[in-house]
Amino acid sequence: AIQMTQSPSSLSASVGDRVTITCRASQVIRNDLGWYQQKPGKAPKLLIYAASTLQSGVPSRFSGSYSGTDFTLTISSLQPEDFATYFCLQDYNYPWTFGQGTKVEIK
Amino acid sequence: EVQLLESGGGLVQPGGSLRLSCAASGFTFTGYVMNWVRQPPGKGLEWVSAIIHSGDNTYYADSVRGRFTISRDNSRSTLYLQMNNLRAEDTAVYYCARDPVGMSDYLDYWGQGTPVTVSS
Repeated sequence: AIQMTQSPSSLSASVGDRVTITCRASQVIRNDLGWYQQKPGKAPKLLIYAASTLQSGVPSRFSGSYSGTDFTLTISSLQPEDFATYFCLQDYNYPWTFGQGTKVEIK
Repeated sequence: EVQLLESGGGLVQPGGSLRLSCAASGFTFTGYVMNWVRQPPGKGLEWVSAIIHSGDNTYYADSVRGRFTISRDNSRSTLYLQMNNLRAEDTAVYYCARDPVGMSDYLDYWGQGTPVTVSS
């Protein structure tokens, strides 16, 4: 199975900060990766698919990019509602695999 | 409005069985690949299984292959997960989610989850 290594596992940031989260795939997965946000007690929410396509209704401060097997989620200006845990998910082939998650906390 | 409503979770002893259901509404069920994803308490997400539109092809995580069976009833717009020989490590909230399968795959709608606890 493809392994997804996500970093950091947690970070502290302030409102207005630029935040970057990365996932590295253990092999080439083209652009077959999505980013999901999860708040406590809630189901995950799709933010970005195909590495860089913003899901409808998601604020434009969220963006995704990739180079080779390295994928990045960027929040350009962190808002209070963005404090949550973020996961990447490779959908290149089955079994799909998630990254370990990044918890974004208030500094 | 798209809705996915899981049910069937609960407390079961190790070695026991449970069947989860996910009732779909608000969209054409046959147009989507359906998935199960789980999350152990306080931990990350784990993709569990997927089933294509017709039900002819199914896919599983290594951790559940041979113990879990995914199925769907398109006439009832319902997804199922039959879980046998349950282990303590299967304790988790189980979510169903749909995959549009167009140019890209992704999970755009999720249910609220149903908790499964495997304990004696």
